[in-house]
Amino acid sequence: DIQMTQSPSTLSASVGDRVSITCRASQSISSWMAWYQQKPGKAPKLLIYKASNLESGVPSRFSGSGSGTEFTLTISSLQPDDFATYYCQQYNGYPYTFGQGTKLDIK
Amino acid sequence: QVQLQESGPGVVKPSESVSLTCTVSGGSVSVYYWSWLRQSPEKGLEWIGYIYKSVNTNYNPILESRVTISVDTSKNQFSLKLTSVTAADTAVYYCARGGGSWFDRWGQGTLVTVSS
Repeated sequence: DIQMTQSPSTLSASVGDRVSITCRASQSISSWMAWYQQKPGKAPKLLIYKASNLESGVPSRFSGSGSGTEFTLTISSLQPDDFATYYCQQYNGYPYTFGQGTKLDIK
Repeated sequence: QVQLQESGPGVVKPSESVSLTCTVSGGSVSVYYWSWLRQSPEKGLEWIGYIYKSVNTNYNPILESRVTISVDTSKNQFSLKLTSVTAADTAVYYCARGGGSWFDRWGQGTLVTVSS
């Protein structure tokens, strides 16, 4: 199975900050990467697909980059609604696998 | 707007089977990929398997011997059956649209607790 490793596990930041979350794959996954946001008690919500494509309705302050084994989710200017847990997911090969999550909380 | 809603028992005894149903509105289960996933503190988010065009299935190898996903097109539902459950199967179970790539629509999730 392809292992997905996110860093950091926890990130403390303030409203207005620019933050980045990294996800590393145990082998190359080309651009077959998605990012999700999850809030407590809710299902994950798709933010980014194919590494850098913004899902419809997702604010443009979210962006994704990378290819191969290293990927980044960036939030350009944190808003109060953005404090949540973020997950990466690879769909290069079955079984599809997720990172362990990065919890973004208020500093 | 596609919406998904899981239903099923909240508590299951060890060694028994659990069946969950996902009711889809705003879209047909006869098209697209439809998946089941689960989430627990111990294992995180885990893809269980998908069904595609009502008959094609693909399961996570770690669960394949115990999992069946099926579709009822007359009710626009798809279902998960997991056999021989143990405490390790305690999780929030989600149904989602996707499985060929990303997952773009999710149900709200249903907690399944394995306990005697």
